[in-house]
Formats: sequence, C-alpha cells, structure tokens
Amino acid sequence: EAAVTQSPRNKVTVTGGNVTLSCRQTNSHNYMYWYRQDTGHGLRLIHYSYGAGNLQIGDVPDGYKATRTTQEDFFLLLELASPSQTSLYFCASGGTGVEQYFGPGTRLTVL
Amino acid sequence: KTQVEQSPQSLVVRQGENCVLQCNYSVTPDNHLRWFKQDTGKGLVSLTVLVHENDKTSNGRYSATLDKDAKHSTLHITATLLDDTATYICVVGDRGSALGRLHFGAGTQLIVIP
Repeated sequence: EAAVTQSPRNKVTVTGGNVTLSCRQTNSHNYMYWYRQDTGHGLRLIHYSYGAGNLQIGDVPDGYKATRTTQEDFFLLLELASPSQTSLYFCASGGTGVEQYFGPGTRLTVL
Repeated sequence: KTQVEQSPQSLVVRQGENCVLQCNYSVTPDNHLRWFKQDTGKGLVSLTVLVHENDKTSNGRYSATLDKDAKHSTLHITATLLDDTATYICVVGDRGSALGRLHFGAGTQLIVIP
C-alpha cells in the first residue's frame, strides 16, 4: 500500500512567521507534489519535483519555496507567512504513471 | 478559469437512496478522468479512473461514465451508506504519464443522513 505521511497535521502561526511543512513517501516514487486546497477551489499545484535536488514551479508558487532533500522527503517552506496562505496542504507522490497518492493533509492557519 | 466544474456543490440524501454527481470539464487534451473520495480532514482516495471515450467503470456501489465528446462524467452511488458522507472530487489528467498535469474540480459535498 502506497504511503505518504505529512507533519505537522495542524499548525498555527502568525503573520510573518516561518513555517516548514514536511512530507515523506515510502513508495520509491520519483515524483512528489505540494498542493493547497481552499473552499470553492480544486486542489492547486504549488511546487513539484522529479527527484532529489529537482524542483519545478507549479501554478500558485508565490510565497512558497520547496526543497527535495532525498527521494523520500519533500518540504514546503513559508518564510513570511500571510493570512492568504491559510489553507489545507496536501502532499502527493507518483511514479511514472498517472496515479498520485495523497497524504492526509496539513491544516495551516496564519493569524 | 476553472476547467473542471462539478455539480451539485452539495447534496443531502437519505441512507439507502441513490445519487448522481456530475463533472463537466474543458481540459484539453483529456487523457483520463479520475474520481476521488475525500473524507473530512483526510486525503484523497481514488475510486475509479476512466480513460476511453464512453468508458464505464464499476467499483462496488460506485459506478462512473465518461463522454469525451461532451467532456462530461457522472459518478453514481447506489444504496448510499452513512460512510459515503464525504467530498467527491473529479480530476482530469491531460497526459498519460506523470509529466502531465492534473486539473481538480472543487468537489461535491455529499451528506448521507439516517
């Protein structure tokens, strides 16, 4: 069974704060993705990666950085968090095919 | 512009009833379409994937259709259970590989009441 874990599951920070969201996959997948989910919108792609050290910009990258340190680990960084970044964040991994396996999500609140 | 539109936005049914969820999209090319179930506060779980024109799939009480000419898909849930309460998300992929992009609908929130 594919496994994608995220931490923390919930995070509250203040405007201007520094936040790191972590994602780990044990599927040996090359591809990893960060999405955000907001009410009234479908999931939107922030950043993604083809492998360790690789980073690609998604559709809504402003205000976010990402790092892929190993095949298993993908991090999303908010260096100056803003209230507009309050959202539910999902990490996903995928192989060479079309299927993506999603983590349980991290709920981030920026006050 | 939203490329995947789902309707209704929300739906309440009684346990045991059937329901139909709709997905219209404008994604081009449309390589495949997948339906996900998302329980509150949880990740997305794949229910079924449709690839070919006029595809029909069945997965237990879930069945789906795809009309690529009309760029339209339906998800049928028969004999609903309380555990079917969730958000159902339609996703269209524009390629048949990981190099493609996924286009997500905003979801239909289904509530099943006793």
